[in-house]
Amino acid sequence: QKEVEQNSGPLSVPEGAIASLNCTYSDRGSQSFFWYRQYSGKSPELIMFIYSNGDKEDGRFTAQLNKASQYVSLLIRDSQPSDSATYLCAVSSGSARQLTFGSGTQLTVLP
Amino acid sequence: NAGVTQTPKFQVLKTGQSMTLQCAQDMNHNSMYWYRQDPGMGLRLIYYSASEGTTDKGEVPNGYNVSRLNKREFSLRLESAAPSQTSVYFCASSGPGLTHFGPGTRLLVL
Repeated sequence: QKEVEQNSGPLSVPEGAIASLNCTYSDRGSQSFFWYRQYSGKSPELIMFIYSNGDKEDGRFTAQLNKASQYVSLLIRDSQPSDSATYLCAVSSGSARQLTFGSGTQLTVLP
Repeated sequence: NAGVTQTPKFQVLKTGQSMTLQCAQDMNHNSMYWYRQDPGMGLRLIYYSASEGTTDKGEVPNGYNVSRLNKREFSLRLESAAPSQTSVYFCASSGPGLTHFGPGTRLLVL
């Protein structure tokens, strides 16, 4: 059984702070790693993906991957109240690159 | 370009009733998926289709069937609904390597 584990949270940070979200996965053969943001009552929205070890930056978001430790993280700099949502870590594998999701971390950014 | 569309948006069923959830994508993706999401949980894979004409079981397939009607459409059928199938159902498609989700169907089984 492939597993993806996330800090269940909830996580609260003040506006302007850095939010750090963490994820570990069990399948060493996993190739691709994703972070989705999900607002309440909405569908997941892809915000970051990473394939190689190291850091990948996109605006205020940085994804970090360490395959040796089977660890993926997401940093959100200068957090805004609009970042308040549930963040889902997902790992793809298999012939159809199907995703296995963690249970999500609920982030609240306090004004 | 509508992306991934799902119908209906919301449905109430009585235990034992059947229904089909419809999904279509206009991105010419080969792979399509059905996930369910229960309160406070991540998404769990029900069935997937790597390409037109193929379907495979995911993590939680019991009580469901699927049909990949053509490259665009992938339907999910509940033959005899049970209260445990109360959930939000998301259809998704993938290519190249990125998965896009539909808006979801909220299903309540009484």
